[in-house]
Parts: sequence; structure tokens; C-alpha cells
Amino acid sequence: QVQLVQSGAEVRKPGSSVKVSCKASGGTFRTHAISWVRQTPGQGLEWMGGIVPVFGTADYGQMFQGRVTITADESTSTAYIELRSLTSDDTAVYYCARGLEQYRLRGVFDVWGQGTMVTVSA
Amino acid sequence: EVVLTQSPGTLSLSPGERATLSCRASQSVSGSLLAWYQQKPGQAPRLLIYAASSRATGVPDRFSGSDSGTDFTLTISRLEPEDFAVYYCQHFGGSPWTFGQGTKVEIK
Repeated sequence: QVQLVQSGAEVRKPGSSVKVSCKASGGTFRTHAISWVRQTPGQGLEWMGGIVPVFGTADYGQMFQGRVTITADESTSTAYIELRSLTSDDTAVYYCARGLEQYRLRGVFDVWGQGTMVTVSA
Repeated sequence: EVVLTQSPGTLSLSPGERATLSCRASQSVSGSLLAWYQQKPGQAPRLLIYAASSRATGVPDRFSGSDSGTDFTLTISRLEPEDFAVYYCQHFGGSPWTFGQGTKVEIK
């Protein structure tokens, strides 16, 4: 049974950065894409980007390009997302999610992490 | 960008009734790139349907999906108590990948 366990809630000030982790267990980490999706009351669900760990290159949603970095560490089966230049609009629940297919970054997410609340406040 | 518009916003039904949820795309999209998720309060979304009509592992057969170009439908044939939740459609062709705003299925 594949599980994704995310790091805990974060509070950050505007202009700072945050890094959230997502540790996989019980399955094959390296060949399934890990995506990051955030959820806000105002904007709903937004795909931020994803990575197939075995390939190592991330792809990002246009509105996050330049402000986000997604990485994966095969040795620890952990994916990370770092978001910079935070504003109050980045206050959201951030989810990692595993792609259903292997070796492809596609938007069918069959396993999700529990979510990490990130609050941006002065 | 493909905009997905879900309707209705809220569906009030009783257990045992049939639920029909709509997801309309702003342009013609491939059904193979359309998925449906269920989300309950305080939980992450759960994959129900992908490629417009394929059920994910473990999803009961009362859930079904269909498509016709720009209109996609999720049907729950007979609502069970655990089906009352918010449902999202998602398209992942082109960039950015987008989600609909959700349909809440509530107990009448």
C-alpha cells in the first residue's frame, strides 16, 4: 500500500520561502511522477508542477514558473517543493500526489499525501 | 487554458437517489485527459475516474463517467451515505492543468 506522508504545517512571513516534503513508502518511488497541488478557498485546486524522480527534471505550471522548485531524492524516497517570494495569496493546503502511470508526468493522481497547511502572515 | 465549469454548484439529494454531475470544458478536449476526484472535509482528494470513464482501483461501480467532446458527466447511480462530498473534474492536456470549481453533493 503506497503512502505519501508530508511534513507539518508551516507559518511564514511575506517575502520568505517555504519547503515542504513528501515521503513515499510501500511502493516504487522512482518511476511514478510526484506532483504538487495546492488548494485555497478562493482559487480551488491548482496544479503547481511535478517530477518523475528517475528522470530528475521537473515541469511547472505557468503561474508558478520561476518561483517554485520541485526536487526528488531517490535515496530517501522523498519529494520536495520550495516556494519563494511568498505572499498572503500563497496561504493554502499543499498536497503531493502520485501519478497513476509510470515514467510519465500526467495528471491522474491515484495516491495523495495528507496535505500541509502553509500560512503566510506578517 | 482550458476552463472547466462544473454544474450545479450544489446538488441536494437523498440516499438512494441518482446524482448527475456536469463538467463543461471551454474548448474541445480529449476524454483521455479528463479525471474526476471526490473530496471529503479535511481529506485529500480521491481519484474516482480517469480517461473520462475508467474507474480507479477500488471505486464502486455505482460511479461512472462519460464524455461527449466538451461535456463530461459523472454519475452516481444510487447515493450511499459516504458519497456526500465535493466532486472535482480535472483536465491535464496542455498547460496549465486545470480543475473545475467543484460540485457539492449534500444530503437533502
